[in-house]
Amino acid sequence: NAGVTQTPKFQVLKTGQSMTLQCAQDMNHEYMSWYRQDPGMGLRLIHYSVGAGITDQGEVPNGYNVSRSTTEDFPLRLLSAAPSQTSVYFCASSYSPQGAINYGYTFGSGTRLTVV
Amino acid sequence: RKEVEQDPGPFNVPEGATVAFNCTYSNSASQSFFWYRQDCRKEPKLLMSVYSSGNEDGRFTAQLNRASQYISLLIRDSKLSDSATYLCVVNDPGANNLFFGTGTRLTVIP
Repeated sequence: NAGVTQTPKFQVLKTGQSMTLQCAQDMNHEYMSWYRQDPGMGLRLIHYSVGAGITDQGEVPNGYNVSRSTTEDFPLRLLSAAPSQTSVYFCASSYSPQGAINYGYTFGSGTRLTVV
Repeated sequence: RKEVEQDPGPFNVPEGATVAFNCTYSNSASQSFFWYRQDCRKEPKLLMSVYSSGNEDGRFTAQLNRASQYISLLIRDSKLSDSATYLCVVNDPGANNLFFGTGTRLTVIP
């Protein structure tokens, strides 16, 4: 089982560039989410999805877009990268929204993004 | 006010010691509680859920105090391999999401 797969693992962007962070899971999980992790800030929710075609904003959505056209994939798009978006990004999934509450998440290995 | 607050540490303890971490949460309506472990430059991994009655998994014991809104994790007989950051996690009662604390860093010293 691959679990939750994130690509790329590392990325350097210039200010103003756009890019897409990929996240795929092969566990047929309905619930998927994106978090960013910054020193002293913990993990903060960016966007989440409770199923294909359904997305919603989390705590820090500005500057990011998501879509969920399939159950397996949940890409995160940076529209115009800024240095403040330098962070480690984690994708997480769970069998269902209720499953997330009952059993927690499975995380991908993360993408380390630097914006210069 | 943060939804979940933890002492960031670091906690430096010798092998074999017992160490305890606490965390407090702000929303009394939260129903689900977890401890995650995160190794340096790795993703968080679920360590254990926390149940109202308290629960134990080997050397690890988790307890919940709803009245005081705090959660604890006790590690007995610490091993070098326990060195990691421990994240306290609480559900958002308004949505099907989880709030993560900033983590408590533990280093077990030989």
